[in-house]
Amino acid sequence: DTAVSQTPKYLVTQMGNDKSIKCEQNLGHDTMYWYKQDSKKFLKIMFSYNNKELIINETVPNRFSPKSPDKAHLNLHINSLELGDSAVYFCASSHGQFNQPQHFGDGTRLSIL
Amino acid sequence: DAKTTQPPSMDCAEGRAANLPCNHSTISGNEYVYWYRQIHSQGPQYIIHGLKNNETNEMASLIITEDRKSSTLILPHATLRDTAVYYCIVRGAGNQFYFGTGTSLTVIP
Repeated sequence: DTAVSQTPKYLVTQMGNDKSIKCEQNLGHDTMYWYKQDSKKFLKIMFSYNNKELIINETVPNRFSPKSPDKAHLNLHINSLELGDSAVYFCASSHGQFNQPQHFGDGTRLSIL
Repeated sequence: DAKTTQPPSMDCAEGRAANLPCNHSTISGNEYVYWYRQIHSQGPQYIIHGLKNNETNEMASLIITEDRKSSTLILPHATLRDTAVYYCIVRGAGNQFYFGTGTSLTVIP
């Protein structure tokens, strides 16, 4: 029944490790996004994919690599995790790219030790 | 980056209308006004959006001033479950969302 689901919900790991966060949507949307919410609660877009094609790639370290195997999935892989990567990461999806409401998952809380 | 200004917090009595203001004086002609809310430990939830006409859906109403420099989100009968942080966002064709600090709404029994 869940529209946009992310796994895991919590991720605690050590600096230097590589980790992945998965996102799946069952809304039939063709556009998916990754956002980072920092300690000040600002949500900043990181990546956006439309029909599996990358359309937005903000200034994000290349340690972050999104992968979209199909329109319903957008995974985020992070290499060599750093302390500053600790945040809540949100996945979202929308129907079309422009001026359409985005539907968010419940977030993945990443903590780097 | 912030294009909107909202009060940091508001209280509303349960069952009364909650009116949440937002200033967006630098909004341009093709930018929409979106409202989202975020309840602790959940993802942002879409509420409503509009360009220049007032909008209403099952959750809320959006009133946009004629000059489009401000708007008000109205929750007609606030319940305790409406306690959340409400974000007013101005969004153009660039498909970007900038969530500012929002308004923390507390519905009081």
